[in-house]
Amino acid sequence: QSALTQPRSVSGSPGQSVTISCTGTSSDVGVYNYVSWYQQYPGKAPKLLIYDVTRRPSGVPDRFSGSKSGNTASLTISGLQAEDEADYYCCSYGGRYTWVFGGGTKVTVL
Amino acid sequence: DVQLVESGGGLVQPGGSLRLSCVASGFTFKSYWMSWVRQAPGKGLEWVANINQDGTEKYYVDSVKGRFTISRDNAKNSLNLQMKSLRGEDTAVFYCASSGSGSYYPDNWFDPWGQGTLVIVSS
Repeated sequence: QSALTQPRSVSGSPGQSVTISCTGTSSDVGVYNYVSWYQQYPGKAPKLLIYDVTRRPSGVPDRFSGSKSGNTASLTISGLQAEDEADYYCCSYGGRYTWVFGGGTKVTVL
Repeated sequence: DVQLVESGGGLVQPGGSLRLSCVASGFTFKSYWMSWVRQAPGKGLEWVANINQDGTEKYYVDSVKGRFTISRDNAKNSLNLQMKSLRGEDTAVFYCASSGSGSYYPDNWFDPWGQGTLVIVSS
């Protein structure tokens, strides 16, 4: 299983929207609606933001939204805030009880 | 509060062994699939293994098959990862995480996560 492809970094000003892409293949992202997204601050454990492509756990602000088209999933952060500066990881079910993560994207709030 | 606390990490020589543990509290541990996910220094996350509620189903990423063994002790609310034949590329922070309470399948996400334990494989 190869890691999903994410941009190394994205940036935006407070109040703007940023979108992080997550590109897989027809064996993972393209065939399963099982993409999740995680937020990780330096030295901290990841936190679940989105699951099943678009669903948000309770407590996650609705500024975070997920989508998918073909082999690419996306996480959009609307109304960017300073506290959103962190690393973000996507993950997809890869079939046969395997899961594959992306390499991570650093979000910088300018 | 739900809490997962990992332990057992440390410095080990290449070819050596190490056993990680994760103690759970605040939820009915025996009802949940559990997973190990690792993160090499400065790198991304990698799913390593998971186990079903009674320990009869275990799945591994190809790179650790035959070297790592996941297990659990529901009486002690404990998840374990026995690692042998360790290599430099196994150096990482290892996190335990819950994978849901499905009867036949785990959830396709990981939540919550422990704080992790660092494993360094070096001579």
